[in-house]
Amino acid sequence: SQQGEEDPQALSIQEGENATMNCSYKTSINNLQWYRQNSGRGLVHLILIRSNEREKHSGRLRVTLDTSKKSSSLLITASRAADTASYFCATLPRGGSEKLVFGKGTKLTVNP
Amino acid sequence: DVKVTQSSRYLVKRTGEKVFLECVQDMDHENMFWYRQDPGLGLRLIYFSYDVKMKEKGDIPEGYSVSREKKERFSLILESASTNQTSMYLCASTGSGHPQETQYFGPGTRLLVL
Repeated sequence: SQQGEEDPQALSIQEGENATMNCSYKTSINNLQWYRQNSGRGLVHLILIRSNEREKHSGRLRVTLDTSKKSSSLLITASRAADTASYFCATLPRGGSEKLVFGKGTKLTVNP
Repeated sequence: DVKVTQSSRYLVKRTGEKVFLECVQDMDHENMFWYRQDPGLGLRLIYFSYDVKMKEKGDIPEGYSVSREKKERFSLILESASTNQTSMYLCASTGSGHPQETQYFGPGTRLLVL
């Protein structure tokens, strides 16, 4: 069953703007990860946030996690055309079989 | 850098053919995974392996089998390809002790079954 659900499904912004993508999930988790996929390619890991963390930064990326709301957000600041990709959240359910469950992704387009 | 390679980027097969998709990783990872990705459905886990000669079913194993004879290689087999197996297939691996930390993905194989 699908654990993570990203919102919005698609997002189009101008270069220099910030992009925010959200992920909601249903059950308790050990960690939540964000991945990027350029068109027709494999996924690349961006950042991992554990269930006892609330915020994490990596370069222009900022991830927050609210376990009470079972949601996470990925913020990309000062976006560039090269950020155009699909972004997926993946959750590791607590106490389960330790399989990552991926959402369906947000397709981000950054217009030059 | 971890490198995960897949034998083909694009593959065209006919219904009923036996299809082998190969995945090789060069980081001595214990854990390897096969996913398929379809529009609107996201990534779905087909099979995974935590060790050589070990395999476990994922969420959609029907119509597929796998082989892990060597640690670095994980093969996905379509015994008799069908048109509904047309998809993008992604292989991934993770290191030991933390099977669900960062997953390293291959570039994907886009399979078309006619």
